[in-house]
Amino acid sequence: QKEVEQNSGPLSVPEGAIASLNCTYSDRVSQSFFWYRQYSGKSPELIMSIYSNGDKEDGRFTAQLNKASQYVSLLIRDSQPSDSATYLCAVAPFSGGYNKLIFGAGTRLAVHP
Amino acid sequence: DAGVIQSPRHEVTEMGQEVTLRCKPISGHDYLFWYRQTMMRGLELLIYFNNNVPIDDSGMPEDRFSAKMPNASFSTLKIQPSEPRDSAVYFCASSSARLAGDYNEQFFGPGTRLTVL
Repeated sequence: QKEVEQNSGPLSVPEGAIASLNCTYSDRVSQSFFWYRQYSGKSPELIMSIYSNGDKEDGRFTAQLNKASQYVSLLIRDSQPSDSATYLCAVAPFSGGYNKLIFGAGTRLAVHP
Repeated sequence: DAGVIQSPRHEVTEMGQEVTLRCKPISGHDYLFWYRQTMMRGLELLIYFNNNVPIDDSGMPEDRFSAKMPNASFSTLKIQPSEPRDSAVYFCASSSARLAGDYNEQFFGPGTRLTVL
């Protein structure tokens, strides 16, 4: 079992719809969770971080964390073609002293007009 | 403020040559990370430093890879000798536990695209 798992996609959604990206992780005592966006040929860019169970909203983005289910998700409301990118889920596991991140393989999102 | 700076942005070399990648972290950050990204393996952590000291190098693929951080504002990743399978994008990232509490928000540089022929 991989430490951080994501569906590779592509996830295709129409413009204006809600895109839902999911991630599961194996280290039960992980403390912090991140979503990075990576455009083709560019570096990963941090868009959301979440540390407590529940929802965290920032503009059109909402991160959801359920530690009991070892599940973290990212919702993108009113999706735009500019949101088309690969979204990487990252987890800071206890095994790394919470200092290093383990990344999932990423989910490719395609928003079509 | 300047972000993480990496050089060169592109490197093309021949098998057997030595390659040195460079990174300048964000000023004030005390953690520095080297990653490698390929289509097959995704984004892999190679090594990370805290206050210039290597903490975890378990991701370094083999002895051909070495990394140093002689001071808080500079780090190198060296591959000697290079092989075609080392072709990848190498990212440097930095973070600061002091600034972000216990939560390790990492900021990435633009990456170095390495091609070994």
